[in-house]
Amino acid sequence: DADVTQTPRNRITKTGKRIMLECSQTKGHDRMYWYRQDPGLGLRLIYYSFDVKDINKGEISDGYSVSRQAQAKFSLSLESAIPNQTALYFCATSDYGQGGEKLFFGSGTQLSVL
Amino acid sequence: GENVEQHPSTLSVQEGDSAVIKCTYSDSASNYFPWYKQELGKRPQLIIDIRSNVGEKKDQRIAVTLNKTAKHFSLHITETQPEDSAVYFCAATASGGSYIPTFGRGTSLIVHP
Repeated sequence: DADVTQTPRNRITKTGKRIMLECSQTKGHDRMYWYRQDPGLGLRLIYYSFDVKDINKGEISDGYSVSRQAQAKFSLSLESAIPNQTALYFCATSDYGQGGEKLFFGSGTQLSVL
Repeated sequence: GENVEQHPSTLSVQEGDSAVIKCTYSDSASNYFPWYKQELGKRPQLIIDIRSNVGEKKDQRIAVTLNKTAKHFSLHITETQPEDSAVYFCAATASGGSYIPTFGRGTSLIVHP
């Protein structure tokens, strides 16, 4: 089945370290997103990309950067991790040809910054 | 931009009871309203959606209603079962163009056997 895959599933890192979370998809979708989930705060958008040459900031992009290496790959980087970036991170995709509004989520990456 | 408010944040019911989760949105351009269910340790998954040209949509035990004038929409679950226990997120967006879904903060539904 076509899917959205995130690696790693869990990551523990230390303050100040640079880390990368990776997302790949076999759905053939053009749009990709990175969300952060914190208890009680829902799903907040970090960055999104409508195609390979398009990168846009979401509501909470400070401290993060992204790279769209190919249509199927969208990675999220924390340049210098800090403890309040401890959260569950989800990658998602959508298909503009189908309206673009239905999101398909990856399995998530639980990040802990000590 | 769009703002979505979701209530309640936690909902506890007995098995067999009904559950209702309510959301309001602010942008009149929004025309698509999905609901996602996230079971413990799992990813959010779309369970039902409604478009602005429809007032109600039903799928077995779940239904969604939309009031465009008041800018609110609701998820109704009847005859709740323990497997309905999850976090439910509402969202609002528009089809096509550069619209991005905006999510509510989620409702943790607990169904007691």
